[in-house]
Amino acid sequence: EVQLVESGGGLIQLGGSLRLSCAASGLTVNSEYMSWVRQAPGRGLEWVSVIYRGGNTYYADSVRGRFTISSDKSKNTIYLQMNSLRAEDTAMYYCARDSSRGWHHVTWGLGTLVMVSS
Amino acid sequence: QSALTQPASVSGSPGQSITISCTGTSSDIGNYNYVSWYQQHPGKAPKLMIYDVSDRPSGVSNRFSGSKSGNTASLTISGLQAEDEADYYCSSYTTSSTGVFGTGTKVTVL
Repeated sequence: EVQLVESGGGLIQLGGSLRLSCAASGLTVNSEYMSWVRQAPGRGLEWVSVIYRGGNTYYADSVRGRFTISSDKSKNTIYLQMNSLRAEDTAMYYCARDSSRGWHHVTWGLGTLVMVSS
Repeated sequence: QSALTQPASVSGSPGQSITISCTGTSSDIGNYNYVSWYQQHPGKAPKLMIYDVSDRPSGVSNRFSGSKSGNTASLTISGLQAEDEADYYCSSYTTSSTGVFGTGTKVTVL
């Protein structure tokens, strides 16, 4: 059974940095397409970033240049390094396993909450 | 990339059918058959309900169906049940090699 467990969220000051982790079981992250999706409190879903089999990466305009997605094969974990955090980055961050054909998020973690405070 | 447009809310009585629209552009929905739909109950993670416009993952009820015409995709829920009350989001791949979600629709079972 595929399981994704996010961690690393918390309260962080405006302009600060945070690294989120997504530990995977039941799959090998470097063989998969993996995304981060976020949801601000009371708001809709927003796609953030994707990493294709530990290689190519893509980002939403709202985070490009500030966030970096990466993977660690030895830990079977993907990361989201978030720098220059803004108030609008406050959200629940979900890790998702994507299909390698088409574009859809097949399996989701429970999320980790990031709160950016001034 | 602007969010895809969905109605804020849709409601129906048990047993009825409802349809949720999702409008994009020729840079997303209109260019790919990569539309998916997600169900999200309060406080829970989203769940994939439809992918590639009209395919259902194993375990998802056949009361859920999807379609697309031009730049607009639709999700239909037939035989509405109390457990279908949730938020629903569409999603598409884009010509920028990114993803985009819809604004979300709250489904209420009367």
